Amino acid sequence: GENVEQHPSTLSVQEGDSAVIKCTYSDSASNYFPWYKQELGKRPQLIIDIRSNVGEKKDQRIAVTLNKTAKHFSLHITETQPEDSAVYFCAASRGANSGGSNYKLTFGKGTLLTVNP
Amino acid sequence: DAMVIQNPRYQVTQFGKPVTLSCSQTLNHNVMYWYQQKSSQAPKLLFHYYDKDFNNEADTPDNFQSRRPNTSFCFLDIRSPGLGDAAMYLCATSRGLAGVNEQYFGPGTRLTVT
Repeated sequence: GENVEQHPSTLSVQEGDSAVIKCTYSDSASNYFPWYKQELGKRPQLIIDIRSNVGEKKDQRIAVTLNKTAKHFSLHITETQPEDSAVYFCAASRGANSGGSNYKLTFGKGTLLTVNP
Repeated sequence: DAMVIQNPRYQVTQFGKPVTLSCSQTLNHNVMYWYQQKSSQAPKLLFHYYDKDFNNEADTPDNFQSRRPNTSFCFLDIRSPGLGDAAMYLCATSRGLAGVNEQYFGPGTRLTVT
């Protein structure tokens, strides 16, 4: 099955700095890579995702890059703000392209990001 | 405009007393998932339904069961809760069409076992 490794487990940055979180995956058939943000006591919320047919995607201060050959993908947050403080999870999925019911996400263990004012 | 609704938000049950958690969705999605999330850990998939087809994860204990009577509702039954089953239980949905995988999570039910 799929295995997703996420690093670092904790990350502390100063407001305005950039933050980078990295994930690797094992299943070369995975083709969908979302990132979820989970604030304390709240639901995970999708912040950005990328599919295997693109190498980079950007949405305002957030970007994700994907290297299929190396099987790793990264989340980049620029100009961090205190409200970016949360746990971030990466995930990987084969998606519907593989047939059957392979819609499930395999999550990384999460990164606790703290943005200090 | 809530899309994935979970009830109750907080549930307290006694050791060994059966408990049912509820999830409903207004998205008309094909796939519904149940996750268990313990403190400071990633969500762990217990099982999912694609329409009426049930898919159990290999390491989900038999103590956990699920029902999906229709497209909108899905239930998680814990037959004999143990102290180790105290956790946040998250329901999620996805459309399940080719190339469309985004999962929408509900707010979760925090289960306490006394």
